[in-house]
Amino acid sequence: AQTVTQSQPEMSVQEAETVTLSCTYDTSESDYYLFWYKQPPSRQMILVIRQEAYKQQNATENRFSVNFQKAAKSFSLKISDSQLGDAAMYFCAYRTPLKGNNDMRFGAGTRLTVKP
Amino acid sequence: GAVVSQHPSRVICKSGTSVKIECRSLDFQATTMFWYRQFPKQSLMLMATSNEGSKATYEQGVEKDKFLINHASLTLSTLTVTSAHPEDSSFYICSARDTRTNEKLFFGSGTQLSVL
Repeated sequence: AQTVTQSQPEMSVQEAETVTLSCTYDTSESDYYLFWYKQPPSRQMILVIRQEAYKQQNATENRFSVNFQKAAKSFSLKISDSQLGDAAMYFCAYRTPLKGNNDMRFGAGTRLTVKP
Repeated sequence: GAVVSQHPSRVICKSGTSVKIECRSLDFQATTMFWYRQFPKQSLMLMATSNEGSKATYEQGVEKDKFLINHASLTLSTLTVTSAHPEDSSFYICSARDTRTNEKLFFGSGTQLSVL
């Protein structure tokens, strides 16, 4: 079974600074999707960024980028120019691309605090 | 973007009663919907996969007679917590996959269930 590990229960960053959240995963599959979701106090799950395993290029979305190391099974999230609104729980997630198969597994989460 | 409506957002009930939670995709069809449970300060745990027109697939350890799932249409899945007990108190989140793309997963805003 696939597992997703987030080794940082809590992280803190100064406003306007950069922070990196770590995520590793274990799988025997060669093709899969990786995600970072943000869960603010409202508890609404918000997709931050998505990476397809067969793409070597790291995904970016404005201030958010990933460092995808397939051989190392590592998928870290970098948040640049951190803003107060970035404070939330961040979950790393893994999913296989099989149709009808969810198999989306979440890590334990990292609580990010942004200091003004 | 696609919207998934989850209702109610909060419910308080007495022990022994049943509670129904609705998950509705508003602007897309969802052959497959998913139900998660989230305890305080913990990650999302997949409970079951709901497939339109067929029986739900439950994860190991989830009682299917306790958590009844009905996916009667391409836009609606319901989760009924039967004979609720205080230990069923939790945050329940649904998600839906857009049938056309089969890639993107959209989350509802969650339901906080408190059983007295």
